[in-house]
Amino acid sequence: EDQVTQSPEALRLQEGESSSLNCSYTVSGLRGLFWYRQDPGKGPEFLFTLYSAGEEKEKERLKATLTKKESFLHITAPKPEDSATYLCAVQAQGGSEKLVFGKGTKLTVNP
Amino acid sequence: KAGVTQTPRYLIKTRGQQVTLSCSPISGHRSVSWYQQTPGQGLQFLFEYFSETQRNKGNFPGRFSGRQFSNSRSEMNVSTLELGDSALYLCASSLAAGGGFSYEQYFGPGTRLTVT
Repeated sequence: EDQVTQSPEALRLQEGESSSLNCSYTVSGLRGLFWYRQDPGKGPEFLFTLYSAGEEKEKERLKATLTKKESFLHITAPKPEDSATYLCAVQAQGGSEKLVFGKGTKLTVNP
Repeated sequence: KAGVTQTPRYLIKTRGQQVTLSCSPISGHRSVSWYQQTPGQGLQFLFEYFSETQRNKGNFPGRFSGRQFSNSRSEMNVSTLELGDSALYLCASSLAAGGGFSYEQYFGPGTRLTVT
């Protein structure tokens, strides 16, 4: 069964204090690994898709990396507006678009 | 380009009733997936529709059903509501053009269902 585990569950940072979020996964043939950001009361907002080990993608203060067993979301010099829950999901090989999600990391950035 | 829309945004129902939720995907997207989000279980996959056919189904009871229309709009139905069905129901749309490629999936704002 495909599984995703995210750690930590919650993370508090001071503005400007860089850190990383972890996503460990097991999947029967990875087709893609997704990162989303979710604000309270809203739907998840797409950030990145990673496809193969060694791949990296960046967007503003966020950088996502992928290995064969884990993905990391690095946040450089975060700002209070980066506060949100960050979700990781995997998609297995096959014809379905099904995503298997982790339970997320709730990030709070204090000014 | 308009995003994924879901109606209604909020719904309050009584145990035993049924409910229908609607999702309009991004124009040109042929795949619509539904998810249930609760504080305890996180996001759980309900089902996916592609070109009016259910392509995959999660581990939910038969009270949960869905369909997709020829214009790719989708509805999900929950019959005989239970208190535990209270959740945020999200739909996501994807281009899903095949070829083994992983396409970006975009989520709607969700429908908050409360069962009393």
